[in-house]
Amino acid sequence: GNSVTQMEGPVTLSEEAFLTINCTYTATGYPSLFWYVQYPGEGLQLLLKATKADDKGSNKGFEATYRKETTSFHLEKGSVQVSDSAVYFCALRAGANNLFFGTGTRLTVIP
Amino acid sequence: NAGVTQTPKFRVLKTGQSMTLLCAQDMNHEYMYWYRQDPGMGLRLIHYSVGEGTTAKGEVPDGYNVSRLKKQNFLLGLESAAPSQTSVYFCASSYGASKGYNEQFFGPGTRLTVL
Repeated sequence: GNSVTQMEGPVTLSEEAFLTINCTYTATGYPSLFWYVQYPGEGLQLLLKATKADDKGSNKGFEATYRKETTSFHLEKGSVQVSDSAVYFCALRAGANNLFFGTGTRLTVIP
Repeated sequence: NAGVTQTPKFRVLKTGQSMTLLCAQDMNHEYMYWYRQDPGMGLRLIHYSVGEGTTAKGEVPDGYNVSRLKKQNFLLGLESAAPSQTSVYFCASSYGASKGYNEQFFGPGTRLTVL
């Protein structure tokens, strides 16, 4: 079956610290992988995506590389800002564009 | 463009009551989805639709019904609400397979409490 396992939170970092949020997946076939971000009181927004092995998705300083050999899609940012405080969801796409989400990781960045 | 909108934003129901959540999108997307978000469980797909007049079950469809009478609208119904349906409900939409699916766009959510 399809599933996503995501690093437990919450994560609290100081501004300008390095961020890693781990994500591993189980899937049949070759899924596309996504990171979504949810800011307080809002719906989810696509942060980045990768559609095949070794692809790197990037946006707003965030990066994630699709690693087929380790079935992983870890999210990284070199220097986080207070405005990055949000909940981050890893997801994979299967079937009729159905998304399977991880449990989410809450990130809080303190000045 | 308003994107994906949801009505209402908040609702409190008593056990056994019924209600309908409305989702509307103005991006001419073929596909629409209803998810629920529960603490520690991420988002789970309830039902989805690949086009006007068609619906399909997702991961957690029990206790819900849906209808897609118009391309831009996707309704989620609870016929007899239960406390286990207390959750935040998100609607999303996307293009279909002919346009490579592309990303799902999410609405702001509806917070439902069933007492």
